Amino acid sequence: KAGVTQTPRYLIKTRGQQVTLSCSPISGHRSVSWYQQTPGQGLQFLFEYFSETQRNKGNFPGRFSGRQFSNSRSEMNVSTLELGDSALYLCASSLGGQGSHEQYFGPGTRLTVT
Amino acid sequence: SQQGEEDPQALSIQEGENATMNCSYKTSINNLQWYRQNSGRGLVHLILIRSNEREKHSGRLRVTLDTSKKSSSLLITASRAADTASYFCATPTNFGNEKLTFGTGTRLTIIP
Repeated sequence: KAGVTQTPRYLIKTRGQQVTLSCSPISGHRSVSWYQQTPGQGLQFLFEYFSETQRNKGNFPGRFSGRQFSNSRSEMNVSTLELGDSALYLCASSLGGQGSHEQYFGPGTRLTVT
Repeated sequence: SQQGEEDPQALSIQEGENATMNCSYKTSINNLQWYRQNSGRGLVHLILIRSNEREKHSGRLRVTLDTSKKSSSLLITASRAADTASYFCATPTNFGNEKLTFGTGTRLTIIP
């Protein structure tokens, strides 16, 4: 099975711009979660989508949004970028359904905001 | 906020030695997971231990879970240079939930 893929792998944006990151989960996985990783805050949960619905949400401002398509692929969008949004954004997929399961992570998208 | 705290924050050992890292968490859980991350890349799932399990093995990995102390440990035996990475414990925020809260991580360096 192919693993989780994320595009693009690297991105440089300017403050005030917006960005869209994409994640393709492992075939058959219905849950997609997004995490932000920074040296200062570590790994922080952004949101999780299951069957095209946001099921869980972390403590991030409304500038961070996401969606999931019928084929389970997911996108996250960050509007009005700030310098502090520079981070590694990780997507993870899992079977979803009832209970919690091991998650399979993509390689991440490294976002740099200048 | 961080649910788990790993200890130590950094660990350097000689190749061939065993490495032990610990994780403490705050709330009741139904499982605890360990992940490895190489140099700012994606995380790799290592092992999931359920709350009714006390010990679990996978190859050179041994994980223990003590729910009374809200702690877990990861033991890597006969370490190799390729084990150099950061190791994180993670717990579901709520029962039956895919939302994971990660610990701060242990940076393990294996010296050849």
